Amino acid sequence: AQTVTQSQPEMSVQEAETVTLSCTYDTSESDYYLFWYKQPPSRQMILVIRQEAYKQQNATENRFSVNFQKAAKSFSLKISDSQLGDAAMYFCAYTGANSKLTFGKGITLSVRP
Amino acid sequence: GAVVSQHPSWVICKSGTSVKIECRSLDFQATTMFWYRQFPKQSLMLMATSNEGSKATYEQGVEKDKFLINHASLTLSTLTVTSAHPEDSSFYICSPRWIYGYTFGSGTRLTVV
Repeated sequence: AQTVTQSQPEMSVQEAETVTLSCTYDTSESDYYLFWYKQPPSRQMILVIRQEAYKQQNATENRFSVNFQKAAKSFSLKISDSQLGDAAMYFCAYTGANSKLTFGKGITLSVRP
Repeated sequence: GAVVSQHPSWVICKSGTSVKIECRSLDFQATTMFWYRQFPKQSLMLMATSNEGSKATYEQGVEKDKFLINHASLTLSTLTVTSAHPEDSSFYICSPRWIYGYTFGSGTRLTVV
């Protein structure tokens, strides 16, 4: 079975600084997708970024980028120029052949003004 | 595109009664519907997966007689919590899957008193 591990429960970053959220996963599949989701206090799940495993190039979305290390099964999220609105819970997630999303435990990110 | 409507957003019910949560995909057809449960500060736990017109597949440990899922059409799925008890109090999220990926409802906070 696939597993997703987010070992840091909380992180804090100064506004305008850069922060990296860690995620590792375990799978025997070769074709899969990885995601980072943001869940603000409203609890609405918001897709931040998506990475296809077959793509070597790291995905980027404006201030958000990932460092995808397939061999190491690592998928970290970098948030540049952190903003107060980035404060939320962030989940790393995996999906493969069965189309189910497997989520990590999540990390609570706080942004200091 | 990919607008999801989940209702109610918040419900209080008495112990022993049943509660129905509705999830509609407003501008797309959902090939698969996932239902999640989330406790405060925790991750999303998959409860069940359903395809239109088929019986839902429940995750291990989820009581199928307590959590009834109906996926009558490609745009509507319902989750009924039967004979609710205080331990069923939680945040329930639907997640319709469409051709472009996963979407999420805004969630339902259920409190059983």
